[in-house]
Amino acid sequence: GAGVSQSPSNKVTEKGKDVELRCDPISGHTALYWYRQSLGQGLEFLIYFQGNSAPDKSGLPSDRFSAERTGGSVSTLTIQRTQQEDSAVYLCASSLVGGYTQYFGPGTRLTVL
Amino acid sequence: TQLLEQSPQFLSIQEGENLTVYCNSSSVFSSLQWYRQEPGEGPVLLVTVVTGGEVKKLKRLTFQFGDARKDSSLHITAAQTGDTGLYLCAGAGEDYKLSFGAGTTVTVRA
Repeated sequence: GAGVSQSPSNKVTEKGKDVELRCDPISGHTALYWYRQSLGQGLEFLIYFQGNSAPDKSGLPSDRFSAERTGGSVSTLTIQRTQQEDSAVYLCASSLVGGYTQYFGPGTRLTVL
Repeated sequence: TQLLEQSPQFLSIQEGENLTVYCNSSSVFSSLQWYRQEPGEGPVLLVTVVTGGEVKKLKRLTFQFGDARKDSSLHITAAQTGDTGLYLCAGAGEDYKLSFGAGTTVTVRA
């Protein structure tokens, strides 16, 4: 498809387990962003990748969160030892370059029991 | 604390009525964006306003950026059921990061 895709669309896990969320950005987009959206809250910035530059990880809430972007394309957000407060919708967006219009994927709804 | 405050949080109106959503901040932004998000989908960009005092119209939607570039409003004329959704404003600073408001849930009843 032409848009940003994310998988899985829904993920239910038990507290303490690790999860991996995947994002496929729009082809040719060099910038990729991860956000978290909790109920009643706006989107919270997590991490930003731009080309081969070091990622901006300033929004990651704890060291249990990490992300990679392989080959400048697909990105994986990993949450280790999940906690109930990690339950949220995780959104990925990409843009041609940083600062340009961001196009969002449908998100992954994570539920930690 | 949200950098951008949106009001109201919820809005329910009858089809054909008008509505206004507000987005306020104490910070100055280089640009401000409005998104609409439907259940199970990611936000979709509606408009970007850049210049203080700017007014943009997209069919029945009118967007305004405050003179001081700290606030914005979205006005919908003669709302339709298809306008139902979560409306988010987001401010861009001098870097690439967007700061989002908590959103306004708009429900248009037939």
